[in-house]
Amino acid sequence: DAGVIQSPRHEVTEMGQEVTLRCKPISGHNSLFWYRQTMMRGLELLIYFNNNVPIDDSGMPEDRFSAKMPNASFSTLKIQPSEPRDSAVYFCASRTTGNYGYTFGSGTRLTVV
Amino acid sequence: AQSVTQLGSHVSVSEGALVLLRCNYSSSVPPYLFWYVQYPNQGLQLLLKYTTGATLVKGINGFEAEFKKSETSFHLTKPSAHMSDAAEYFCAASWTSGSRLTFGEGTQLTVNP
Repeated sequence: DAGVIQSPRHEVTEMGQEVTLRCKPISGHNSLFWYRQTMMRGLELLIYFNNNVPIDDSGMPEDRFSAKMPNASFSTLKIQPSEPRDSAVYFCASRTTGNYGYTFGSGTRLTVV
Repeated sequence: AQSVTQLGSHVSVSEGALVLLRCNYSSSVPPYLFWYVQYPNQGLQLLLKYTTGATLVKGINGFEAEFKKSETSFHLTKPSAHMSDAAEYFCAASWTSGSRLTFGEGTQLTVNP
């Protein structure tokens, strides 16, 4: 089991550019979560999906953020345009029905300059 | 609203000393409970979980936690701290099947030689 796979591990981009973060959940897991972690705000839930359907996106900070899950094995989090305050570590996590714990990916460290 | 509270954002212990990290939840309905650990520059890793059954739960790396319904607590302990235990620890809870985890603010554990 390869675990939850996130790419890239590190991303440095200039303000105004589009950024796309990718996540491959564990096979068979039917829930997927996107989190953002910063020193100031800690761990924040941005959005989560059940069976590829977005259930709660109330944590998405602005319209500049969007997330998709076109199939059970892939999700993206897009920021367009990016701003320096978006700099953070973004985590993806997945879970299977009946198992209430999440498995987290290693995260993407995003730096917007 | 249901919430998870971790008392003490920073805890410092000496190597070999007892580790006690506190977690309380706010609900009359007992949730499913979890402890996660995050080492520097890594994702969150599940330490242990309580769902049903025995209230004393053993996890990885010598950690254990006890669910106390009367105290609405799920404190994490380890009899003897090791330098490698230095990390951030998150308590989390889920109240219904399929619902998302609610995380505490995290406790940074420092182990002094």
